[in-house]
Amino acid sequence: DAKTTQPNSMESNEEEPVHLPCNHSTISGTDYIHWYRQLPSQGPEYVIHGLTSNVNNRMASLAIAEDRKSSTLILHRATLRDAAVYYCIDVNSGGYQKVTFGTGTKLQVIP
Amino acid sequence: EPEVTQTPSHQVTQMGQEVILRCVPISNHLYFYWYRQILGQKVEFLVSFYNNEISEKSEIFDDQFSVERPDGSNFTLKIRSTKLEDSAMYFCASSEGWGYGYTFGSGTRLTVV
Repeated sequence: DAKTTQPNSMESNEEEPVHLPCNHSTISGTDYIHWYRQLPSQGPEYVIHGLTSNVNNRMASLAIAEDRKSSTLILHRATLRDAAVYYCIDVNSGGYQKVTFGTGTKLQVIP
Repeated sequence: EPEVTQTPSHQVTQMGQEVILRCVPISNHLYFYWYRQILGQKVEFLVSFYNNEISEKSEIFDDQFSVERPDGSNFTLKIRSTKLEDSAMYFCASSEGWGYGYTFGSGTRLTVV
């Protein structure tokens, strides 16, 4: 599976935008980029995913670089509830698209 | 919004006993998964299941583990003879298919004593 690189931790002030970066140095041409998050004491939660184009949903926006070697998850207005570990994952389109979690970025939101 | 439901939320069992963890995936999903997370560690892939058979499994998923979809709605993980190191949160997930995100359940906390 392709490995991604994320900062271990980030901080954001409440009600400000947050940009969470991810490097996808070994991504394959047909791998999807998925983002999940895990709130304290909860299961992982799907946030957003994309292939080449930028994507928006009610939770976040995903900006994907033209060469797909990097992506950025954008939370438009951080709330205390967004404090979580965020994972970016390259999902192999071959086989059965297994999602493999790394260590992620722990986001702290400061009131 | 559709949910993946897991039961029980917490199970305590004695070492050597068999346990069955239950999951009800989202009804139109075709791919099913089990993951585990030992306290303070990463979420680890155990097994994926598609078309009534295992499609991939990790090295953690040894002969003590088995999965089954007995009735078209439930998806179970059985641990035949539990060990202390099986204590973890176990998460079930399902997906509509290739190119779709996973929906995870809220997990079963298994404590082996």
